[in-house]
Amino acid sequence: EVQLVESGGGLVQPGRSLRLSCAASGFTFDDYAMHWVRQAPGKGLEWVSGISWNSNSIGYADSVKGRFTISRDNAKNSLYLQMNSLRAEDMALYYCAKESGEGYFDYWGQGTLVTVSS
Amino acid sequence: EIVLTQSPATLSLSPGERATLSCRASQSVSSYLAWYQQKPGQAPRLLIYDASNRATGIPARFSGSGPGTDFTLTISSLEPEDFAVYYCQQRSNWVYTFGQGTKLEIK
Repeated sequence: EVQLVESGGGLVQPGRSLRLSCAASGFTFDDYAMHWVRQAPGKGLEWVSGISWNSNSIGYADSVKGRFTISRDNAKNSLYLQMNSLRAEDMALYYCAKESGEGYFDYWGQGTLVTVSS
Repeated sequence: EIVLTQSPATLSLSPGERATLSCRASQSVSSYLAWYQQKPGQAPRLLIYDASNRATGIPARFSGSGPGTDFTLTISSLEPEDFAVYYCQQRSNWVYTFGQGTKLEIK
């Protein structure tokens, strides 16, 4: 059974940093691209960032480019999102999602909540 | 960046009725479009990929059409569990975008 478990969310002040983690199991982690997708309270889905299986290809939404860094550790079956210079508009539930191999998200975690407030 | 525009924002129907949800892309995405269902308090679930292929375990009452710029998700006969928010999504050169969503509510 595929499982994606996010952690690392919490309350952080504007301008500070936070690192999210996603622990994956139930599939061959290093065969698939992985992504972060977020959802602000009461809002729609926003793709944040994605990384290929070998970390050679990485993409970011314009809203986070230059502030967020995605990475992965295939030996630990883990995905990460380093978030710097956090803003109020970054406040959201952050989902870890597995890519199907065809550009779609076939498995999702339950999310970790990031609250940005002074 | 390719923008996906979904319509209507809210669709009010009764169980047993047919639902038609639309997603329009600002430029052609070929068949690289997916649909997701999200219920309150839950993560999204992949329904349709490559415009018209049902994901594993998705009932046959869900169908999708495309390709190009105009896509449709059809639910042939609504079941009570189908009332949720639906999103379309595309991918293009490591940039992925979602539509703003259509809320399907019980009339």
